[in-house]
Amino acid sequence: AQKITQTQPGMFVQEKEAVTLDCTYDTSDQSYGLFWYKQPSSGEMIFLIYQGSYDEQNATEGRYSLNFQKARKSANLVISASQLGDSAMYFCAMRERTSGSRLTFGEGTQLTVNP
Amino acid sequence: DTEVTQTPKHLVMGMTNKKSLKCEQHMGHRAMYWYKQKAKKPPELMFVYSYEKLSINESVPSRFSPECPNSSLLNLHLHALQPEDSALYLCASSQTEAAGRSGNTIYFGEGSWLTVV
Repeated sequence: AQKITQTQPGMFVQEKEAVTLDCTYDTSDQSYGLFWYKQPSSGEMIFLIYQGSYDEQNATEGRYSLNFQKARKSANLVISASQLGDSAMYFCAMRERTSGSRLTFGEGTQLTVNP
Repeated sequence: DTEVTQTPKHLVMGMTNKKSLKCEQHMGHRAMYWYKQKAKKPPELMFVYSYEKLSINESVPSRFSPECPNSSLLNLHLHALQPEDSALYLCASSQTEAAGRSGNTIYFGEGSWLTVV
């Protein structure tokens, strides 16, 4: 079974609007972390936001917020006020305590922001 | 700007060449990683170094040879590669190898685009 599922291969959004990128995960660990990365066409993998399994509040970093629903095992990324520079591939990833340094990635969502 | 720097940005090499990819970080991190990423796919872990010792080798072919000369540097030596090895190679680092409750975020570099001809 897939450990990280991103069901949206591609998403489109108008500039200045908000967009939600979906991520569901599967783990039996009680302790785990969820990450979102942005990868523009240049190749750099940019860390955006982190949510720990024990964190009670949803993580926020500037225009990025993580909608964490532990019971549903979902960790959706919300980007507010989209900008043209947000066009990129977005990966959801999980790090389980029992897997140590291994990050499990989803297949990614290609976001296009239209002017 | 990323604090993990990789050189070269682009590399074209023949199947008989020997070349190296280099990675440097100055965040005091003690775990460093090499990932391989094919087009439109997520990155795949190749190697992990922890405190300058090889911790994980994900059954990578011996034509890829990692080296960690010190806590800030990580190299990937390439020899007798195949065209299917053409990919984006990403270096990354984190405070330590262990996951930890704080997440111990893995930070990536800009990547090295490798083409084998």
